Amino acid sequence: DIQMTQSPSSLSASVGDRVTITCRASQRISNFINWYQHKPGKAPKVLIYAASTLQGGVPSRFSGSGSGADFTLTISSLQAEDFATYYCQQSYSTPLTFGQGTRLEIK
Amino acid sequence: EEQLVESGGGLVQPGGSLRLSCAASGFTFSRYWMSWVRQAPGKGLEWVANIRQDGNEENYVDSVKGRFTISRDNVKNSLYLQMDSLRAEDTAVYYCARHQGDVFDFNWFDPWGQGTLVTVSS
Repeated sequence: DIQMTQSPSSLSASVGDRVTITCRASQRISNFINWYQHKPGKAPKVLIYAASTLQGGVPSRFSGSGSGADFTLTISSLQAEDFATYYCQQSYSTPLTFGQGTRLEIK
Repeated sequence: EEQLVESGGGLVQPGGSLRLSCAASGFTFSRYWMSWVRQAPGKGLEWVANIRQDGNEENYVDSVKGRFTISRDNVKNSLYLQMDSLRAEDTAVYYCARHQGDVFDFNWFDPWGQGTLVTVSS
């Protein structure tokens, strides 16, 4: 099984900050990685798919990069509505696996 | 609007069974792979199982193999998860999600339902 390791597990930041979350796969997965935002009591929402493609309707302050085994999600200027938990997920092989999550909190 | 609505969660004793349902609307259900994903209390997301468009291929995470069965009814636009021999560690919110993209190429989960809570406890 492919393990996805996210860092940090939690992060405190302020509105307007630039934030980067990293995800490392236990083996090379090309660019078969997706990023999701999850708020309590809500359905998770895809932000980025195939490592760097922005899902329609997602603000352009979100971006993804990387290939192989190391990936990043960047939020260029945090907004109040961005405080949530973020997950990476590999779609390279079954079982599909998620990172453990990064909880983004208000400083 | 594309929508997924789960139902069937509740409290069940260890060793018991429960059947979850997911009603799809706003898109052609029969054209898509579908998955169940769960989140245990205070934990992250865990993929549980998926099923091919025609129902003739299923995949499971090891921890539920032999206990859970995913199925679908393309006439009723519904996805199911039959959960048997339930354990305390199966306690979670269970989400259904559609595979967008090509399962044999790039694919991602979109949309997701709001989830249904399953609690396994005596």
